[in-house]
Amino acid sequence: LAKTTQPISMDSYEGQEVNITCSHNNIATNDYITWYQQFPSQGPRFIIQGYKTKVTNEVASLFIPADRKSSTLSLPRVSLSDTAVYYCLVAGERGYSTLTFGKGTMLLVSP
Amino acid sequence: GAVVSQHPSWVICKSGTSVKIECRSLDFQATTMFWYRQFPKQSLMLMATSNEGSKATYEQGVEKDKFLINHASLTLSTLTVTSAHPEDSSFYICSATRGGTEAFFGQGTRLTVV
Repeated sequence: LAKTTQPISMDSYEGQEVNITCSHNNIATNDYITWYQQFPSQGPRFIIQGYKTKVTNEVASLFIPADRKSSTLSLPRVSLSDTAVYYCLVAGERGYSTLTFGKGTMLLVSP
Repeated sequence: GAVVSQHPSWVICKSGTSVKIECRSLDFQATTMFWYRQFPKQSLMLMATSNEGSKATYEQGVEKDKFLINHASLTLSTLTVTSAHPEDSSFYICSATRGGTEAFFGQGTRLTVV
């Protein structure tokens, strides 16, 4: 399984765009990249998933360079409620039986 | 999106007793479910993979006789913490995949052993 590396923490202010980068140098050809958000005492919540280039949904964008060794989660105009831990996971379709969570990034959004 | 529900959300039990946690996939059939444990300010740690109709697969270091997993149907997996001790106090989370590459997580169960 590809190991992921993320910043331990990030700080931002309301209304700013936040970009969290994840390194996954050993990503395999059939691996997808998925980002989850977790609030205290809650289960992780799916944010976005991608394989290559750019993916955008109603809450975030995911940028993946051509070599796929990293990915960047972009949260536009964050609010206080976006304060949470964000996890980057890499696994292939069959590999989802062993989803391995890294340490995640604690994002703190201040007024 | 798909929903995975856990019950109870929190439980307090006496040391030495057993506690059962249920994980249900509400709108899809899940042949495989996963159980995680999370200690305060730490990441999720995979404990075991629960397979419908067969024995669970446990991660290294997880005691299968202490953490009993039963996946009797395509929508229900249970985790029983047997002879619980204070060190078993943790946040337990289940997840399930609906085929494909997206995993859905339950809301978690806070277990406190006193």
